[in-house]
Amino acid sequence: IAGITQAPTSQILAAGRRMTLRCTQDMRHNAMYWYRQDLGLGLRLIHYSNTAGTTGKGEVPDGYSVSRANTDDFPLTLASAVPSQTSVYFCASSVEAGGGQPQHFGDGTRLSIL
Amino acid sequence: GQNIDQPTEMTATEGAIVQINCTYQTSGFNGLFWYQQHAGEAPTFLSYNVLDGLEEKGRFSSFLSRSKGYSYLLLKELQMKDSASYLCALRDSNYQLIWGAGTKLIIKP
Repeated sequence: IAGITQAPTSQILAAGRRMTLRCTQDMRHNAMYWYRQDLGLGLRLIHYSNTAGTTGKGEVPDGYSVSRANTDDFPLTLASAVPSQTSVYFCASSVEAGGGQPQHFGDGTRLSIL
Repeated sequence: GQNIDQPTEMTATEGAIVQINCTYQTSGFNGLFWYQQHAGEAPTFLSYNVLDGLEEKGRFSSFLSRSKGYSYLLLKELQMKDSASYLCALRDSNYQLIWGAGTKLIIKP
């Protein structure tokens, strides 16, 4: 079934450790996004990529980095995890960044930083 | 800057109709989306409005008034499975989505 796959599903991580969240889509979508979702807050954009080879900063990029080496993969890296990065992380993709194309979401990664 | 407001929680009865409002302020507008999110799951797309008026899709309809910075999602013939959070998202001038905090809808028998 075509869609977006995120891994891991959940993770408990010690503060200071490095962590990469994986995201792969097989829909050949050009645009991809990483969000975090915290209780009582809306989804907040961390980083985005409008097409392979390009990335941009969203609303809350500090402490996170991304790469987009090809169309399918968009990994998110926490270089040195801190407790405030405890959250649910969603990867999403859309055909293009503009127009009426909706974003499609992966199932999320639940990350706890201790 | 941008701001999106939605009620935090609403309660409705099975079989009834409910309207979930979303108001926004923005310097650039490129469309408004509604998503549904069940607890512990990913958001799923419901509707998109870029022009004023009503978009109907089965039991769900979405309305937009750009001049008033206002949208609503109308759910008819409510079913228990409609219990979820409903997220309003504004596409800004950079074509990124700015999300409201969501409205938790509780359906009672």
